[in-house]
Amino acid sequence: DVKVTQSSRYLVKRTGEKVFLECVQDMDHENMFWYRQDPGLGLRLIYFSYDVKMKEKGDIPEGYSVSREKKERFSLILESASTNQTSMYLCASIGPMNTEAFFGQGTRLTVV
Amino acid sequence: GQQVMQIPQYQHVQEGEDFTTYCNSSTTLSNIQWYKQRPGGHPVFLIQLVKSGEVKKQKRLTFQFGEAKKNSSLHITATQTTDVGTYFCAGRTGTYKYIFGTGTRLKVLA
Repeated sequence: DVKVTQSSRYLVKRTGEKVFLECVQDMDHENMFWYRQDPGLGLRLIYFSYDVKMKEKGDIPEGYSVSREKKERFSLILESASTNQTSMYLCASIGPMNTEAFFGQGTRLTVV
Repeated sequence: GQQVMQIPQYQHVQEGEDFTTYCNSSTTLSNIQWYKQRPGGHPVFLIQLVKSGEVKKQKRLTFQFGEAKKNSSLHITATQTTDVGTYFCAGRTGTYKYIFGTGTRLKVLA
């Protein structure tokens, strides 16, 4: 079974803090994604990566950056957390045949 | 930018009634996938449609991809309480990029 693991289930951070959300997958997938999920807006793509050290902006990259130093790990960084970044963050990976996405359990981030 | 809209946003049905959610893209899609997210859970893959006009069935679920590859639908026949959750479509617009729909939250009343 493919496993996508996110480092935290719940996180509370203060405004202005630098926040790291970690995601690890164990199936040697090339493609990894970060989404945020908000009621009524569905899943919106923040960043994705199709290879180590490669990254591309999604639809809402502002205020975020990412790091992919190793194939199995894709990190989302909030440079200076703000209250409008309070959300559910979902990491996903997709294998080489571009079939199904496997999601992590999600990190519910609250910025106070 | 590229958008994938789903309607309705919410749907409450009595157990045994049918349910349909519709997905519409502003651009032509390479393929479309459907996911189900149970309350408190993460999205789980249901199916992928690739060909124009394709129809696939999984037990009580019927998935359709439009002729123009810009819309899709998921129909559930005779809903059960286990069908509760949010259903998302996800359209592939490039080699790696998937755009998720806004989701339809289904509530089934016993």
